[in-house]
Amino acid sequence: DAGVTQSPTHLIKTRGQQVTLRCSPKSGHDTVSWYQQALGQGPQFIFQYYEEEERQRGNFPDRFSGHQFPNYSSELNVNALLLGDSALYLCASSSRGQGVFGEAFFGQGTRLTVV
Amino acid sequence: AQSVTQLDSQVPVFEEAPVELRCNYSSSVSVYLFWYVQYPNQGLQLLLKYLSGSTLVKGINGFEAEFNKSQTSFHLRKPSVHISDTAEYFCAVSYLQGAQKLVFGQGTRLTINP
Repeated sequence: DAGVTQSPTHLIKTRGQQVTLRCSPKSGHDTVSWYQQALGQGPQFIFQYYEEEERQRGNFPDRFSGHQFPNYSSELNVNALLLGDSALYLCASSSRGQGVFGEAFFGQGTRLTVV
Repeated sequence: AQSVTQLDSQVPVFEEAPVELRCNYSSSVSVYLFWYVQYPNQGLQLLLKYLSGSTLVKGINGFEAEFNKSQTSFHLRKPSVHISDTAEYFCAVSYLQGAQKLVFGQGTRLTINP
């Protein structure tokens, strides 16, 4: 079992550009959540996808959008990049059926640098 | 609004000494509590979790935590630390109505000195 895999591992973009980050959940998981972790901070919840729909959303602008595919993998898209979007983006997968009793497994993250 | 406060941003400890990392949360509803560890350049790994039942929870790598509802705390402890415990530790809460949406604290950097 490969666990949660994210790609790419590192990315450098210019202000104003758009970026797409990818996540493959752990085998057997159907729910994907995305978090932003700025340097020296704890992760902040961006949104969660289940059954190809956004189910919950944190306090992030509409520039942040996502998608979930039928195979449960997910993408995070960020438009009009700002310097403040530089962060480690973490993907977590879990099983909806287990509710809070199910453990969220995290990927190693994508380090996004906006210059 | 729900929030998590980790009272110490950095904790230096000598090897084989005990350590306590403090975590307080604010909530008016039932919560589920977690501690995660993050090693350099890696994602988060679950150390332990409190869902219900016994307030003393044991996790991996010799860590344990105690849920105190009256003090809204969930402090993490280890009786004897090792160099390999050097990492960032995050306390997190999840709420009954927000299954699997985690609210994290700012993190505590644990540094073990030989």
